[in-house]
Amino acid sequence: DTAVSQTPKYLVTQMGNDKSIKCEQNLGHDTMYWYKQDSKKFLKIMFSYNNKELIINETVPNRFSPKSPDKAHLNLHINSLELGDSAVYFCASSQGAVEKLFFGSGTQLSVL
Amino acid sequence: GENVEQHPSTLSVQEGDSAVIKCTYSDSASNYFPWYKQELGKRPQLIIDIRSNVGEKKDQRIAVTLNKTAKHFSLHITETQPEDSAVYFCAADYTGGFKTIFGAGTRLFVKA
Repeated sequence: DTAVSQTPKYLVTQMGNDKSIKCEQNLGHDTMYWYKQDSKKFLKIMFSYNNKELIINETVPNRFSPKSPDKAHLNLHINSLELGDSAVYFCASSQGAVEKLFFGSGTQLSVL
Repeated sequence: GENVEQHPSTLSVQEGDSAVIKCTYSDSASNYFPWYKQELGKRPQLIIDIRSNVGEKKDQRIAVTLNKTAKHFSLHITETQPEDSAVYFCAADYTGGFKTIFGAGTRLFVKA
């Protein structure tokens, strides 16, 4: 009965590889997000989606491609992984544009 | 630009003392100011929020104040307990919502 679930929890991979992170929410929310938390704990927004439509792309390199097949899912595909991509990636959802965020448990990505 | 400044970055208090964390934001159009608590290895979770039509809000030992004129808001935790130890993030909404900008976080240590 987890509200926002994302998989995998840990991802260890080599530079240059392509990887995906999946996110699903069962809260009936219309809005979903991807946030990146670096080693200094800065939480930075990457993308916002509302009703499957991209609303915010926060100058993220185009190696990152989000996809929302329906309102309950927002996946993140990353091409040609770089060392600097190592971070914790959090998926989140909210009931509307200006409402509290419900975060997933995070995906710890380590690029070697 | 879109910015949320938060201080202090680290705060150490004795159990039972009060803790205050302060934030400023840059966009006068911001209307929603949530606070999130993140325990080690866990997801950020909302602890309290305030909207621009309210100057103060309290929930048990936690209170938040907002000064829209000065673009300041603060988190007050009274009677701190060791389980309050965590990283606390302030945040503000931008771009009509769909984008929550976080402060850099305050690491709170409560010594027993």
